[in-house]
Order: sequence, then structure tokens, then C-alpha cells
Amino acid sequence: DAMVIQNPRYQVTQFGKPVTLSCSQTLNHNVMYWYQQKSSQAPKLLFHYYDKDFNNEADTPDNFQSRRPNTSFCFLDIRSPGLGDAAMYLCATSSRDRRSLGNEQFFGPGTRLTVL
Amino acid sequence: AQSVAQPEDQVNVAEGNPLTVKCTYSVSGNPYLFWYVQYPNRGLQFLLKYITGDNLVKGSYGFEAEFNKSQTSFHLKKPSALVSDSALYFCAVRDDNAGNNRKLIWGLGTSLAVNP
Repeated sequence: DAMVIQNPRYQVTQFGKPVTLSCSQTLNHNVMYWYQQKSSQAPKLLFHYYDKDFNNEADTPDNFQSRRPNTSFCFLDIRSPGLGDAAMYLCATSSRDRRSLGNEQFFGPGTRLTVL
Repeated sequence: AQSVAQPEDQVNVAEGNPLTVKCTYSVSGNPYLFWYVQYPNRGLQFLLKYITGDNLVKGSYGFEAEFNKSQTSFHLKKPSALVSDSALYFCAVRDDNAGNNRKLIWGLGTSLAVNP
């Protein structure tokens, strides 16, 4: 089945130790998103890629970076995690073209990040 | 300003009874509206969307939603609730600002508890 995969599902890191979360998709969607979600709150968009075009949200801290080496993969790098970065990180994809203005986003299962 | 409101933090309903989870929106143009469900420690799952056409939209797991333009509402409904429907529900609308229409504006979520 076509899907969005996130690895690992659970990640524990130490304060200040860089960590990378990964996302892959078999949907061949051209848009990929990274969200941060804290304790049953609404997901907060960090950035998204439209093909190779990177779009950062204005309030996303510089501590968060992303890479998309190809259509299928996208990475979230947290350069120096703080205690406040402990959260669920959700990857999503969407197909976006002129004919599909209302396409929904498909989410992966998420990676729960713990910062010690 | 564009926004989505879910006026109820929590909804409690008895199994077998009809359920309604409320959502109202504010956008400048035609609304593209979505409902997602999130089970504990999982990613978001798409339930249904309204783009255009019939005001009553049917989706996954027996859910439906009614688009009401005059009341700017998009309430989620199900005729007979199941205990397994207990989850967090998010309403979202496509961001209508120029250049932003790959993004969604999210409600704060409503926790649905279905009691046996």
C-alpha cells in the first residue's frame, strides 16, 4: 500500500545533541510537510517542500533544518535540541498541481522525540 | 483574518447515539474544508473534505459532514457512535492567502469520548 513512513517512531536524544528524523513516501507526491505537535494540540507547520522548493514558516526556529534529497525522502534536522523541542513530529505529503487545489494531506505515524 | 474554530474542547456521547463535532471557519474566498482524526500516539488520518458540490459530504468510518455557507460551519457527524471513535478530531481549512494554498489552517481539536 502507498504510504508515508517515519523512522524512528520513538527517538531519545540528549540536550544539545543533534538528531535527524526521517520520512519517506511511496505516494509520489510533490509536496512534503513537517509538523510539530505537542500534547494533543493542533499540529504546527515547521516547513514544507514543493518539489525542491523549500518553504520555511516565519516562526520556525533556526534550530530546525530540513533536507529533501529526492521526491521520496525528507529529513528533519534538529541541530541543538532543547527541552522545549520534545514533541511529536509529523511528516505529511500532498499532491499539488493546477487541477488539484483541494488535495488532502497524508500523514505518517509520527516520531515522538524525547529530550533528556 | 482566516481562522478555524472548534468551540468544544471535549465531546462526550454514549455509544449508539448520534455525535456531532462542531467547526466554524472564516476565509476570504471559497472554503476548502477538511476533517482529520488522530488516535493516541498516531498520525492524523484524513476523514473527508468539502471542495464544492453537495453540502453533505460522506467520508471514512461512517462519518459525514455538512457544509453550511450561511453559518460558515462544517460540522462532523455520525449517526451512531462507536467506542472506537474515541479520538482527537481536527477541522482544517486551506489557507487562502496568495502563495499559501498548499498549507492548512488548523482548529485546536476536539477530544471525542464515546462511553459504552
